[in-house]
Amino acid sequence: EVQLVESGGGLVQPGGSLRLSCAASGFTFTTYYMSWVRQAPGKGLEWVAIINQHGGEEYYVDSVKGRFTISRDNAKNSLYLQMNSLTAEDTAVYYCARDGESGSPSWFDPWGQGTLVTVSA
Amino acid sequence: EIVMTQSPATLSVSPGERATLSCRASQSVSSNLAWYQQKRGQAPRLLIYHASIRATGIPARFSGSGSGTEFTLTISILQSEDFAVYYCQQYNNWPPWTFGQGTKVEIK
Repeated sequence: EVQLVESGGGLVQPGGSLRLSCAASGFTFTTYYMSWVRQAPGKGLEWVAIINQHGGEEYYVDSVKGRFTISRDNAKNSLYLQMNSLTAEDTAVYYCARDGESGSPSWFDPWGQGTLVTVSA
Repeated sequence: EIVMTQSPATLSVSPGERATLSCRASQSVSSNLAWYQQKRGQAPRLLIYHASIRATGIPARFSGSGSGTEFTLTISILQSEDFAVYYCQQYNNWPPWTFGQGTKVEIK
């Protein structure tokens, strides 16, 4: 069974940092792009970042460029999101999502259960 | 950036009725469009990709159509478990990958 399990969320002060992790299992991790997608409370879905199969190709939504860094450790089947200089606008549930089609960025399937990041003083 | 616009924001439907949800792209996305269902407190679940292909395990009452800038998700006979929020997402022009704002299907 394909499974994605996020961890690392929590309460952080404005200006602080947090590192999210996503443990993947049930599929060949090295053949898929992986993304982070977030959802602010009561709001819609927003793609945040994506990384290719072996790293080196990364894209970010404009609002997090220069503050967030996506990375992966293929030996550990894990995806990460380092978040720095956090603001209240970053408060959201962060989902780890696998690309739906092996080899090229496309839709997102499946999704993890999400981890809540709250930025507040 | 391609902007995805969904309508209506809320759709009130009785169980057993048909629901038709719309998604419009600000420029052509060909057939590179996906639909997701999200129930309260849960992660999104893929329903449709390539505009009209049902994902694994998705019931046949869900169907997608359209290409270019206009897309439709139809739920032919609404079941109680179908009341949720539905999102469209384009993957034709990226980055960024963009979602619509969602349509909430509620019980009438």
